Amino acid sequence: AQSVAQPEDQVNVAEGNPLTVKCTYSVSGNPYLFWYVQYPNRGLQFLLKYITGDNLVKGSYGFEAEFNKSQTSFHLKKPSALVSDSALYFCAVDAGNMLTFGGGTRLMVKP
Amino acid sequence: GAVVSQHPSRVICKSGTSVKIECRSLDFQATTMFWYRQFPKKSLMLMATSNEGSKATYEQGVEKDKFLINHASLTLSTLTVTSAHPEDSSFYICSARDILLGNTEAFFGQGTRLTVV
Repeated sequence: AQSVAQPEDQVNVAEGNPLTVKCTYSVSGNPYLFWYVQYPNRGLQFLLKYITGDNLVKGSYGFEAEFNKSQTSFHLKKPSALVSDSALYFCAVDAGNMLTFGGGTRLMVKP
Repeated sequence: GAVVSQHPSRVICKSGTSVKIECRSLDFQATTMFWYRQFPKKSLMLMATSNEGSKATYEQGVEKDKFLINHASLTLSTLTVTSAHPEDSSFYICSARDILLGNTEAFFGQGTRLTVV
């Protein structure tokens, strides 16, 4: 069975500083990995995905994520955080046409 | 990107009544749609997978007679919460995948906040 872990319930970062939101996964076979963002009372918005190819994936709003097969990780990063990045972030893995989500990490960017 | 429209975005109903939530893929066809439930400060819990033209597949612990799912066309799936009770109050989210894109990102509706009073 596939699973996703987001070890941090909340990440706090000052505006302008780099941010990292951690994600590790467990799946048999080659994983398809995703990051989504959720703003209050809204659905999920797609940020980026890793299917194959370069381990560093660039996505929307300046976010990127690095796929690390040996560490089974897919951490989300951004070089310079904005207050508007404050939201709930979900990592997800797909290994059979069904997404499995991590528990979510709330990102708080303070001015 | 592809758009999934979910309606209504917010609904308040009386205990014992039924509520229908619609999920439409606006510019693509989706053979499969997914229904999630999200509790406050919690992750998404997959309730069921909705397949066009066939019965939905429910996750363990989800009452199929209470959460009726219909996927009558390639662009529309509905979730009906029957005989709603206050404990059914939650945020419900649908998602769909573009069959032509295959195994790539799912697109999500904007969610429905259900409050049962």
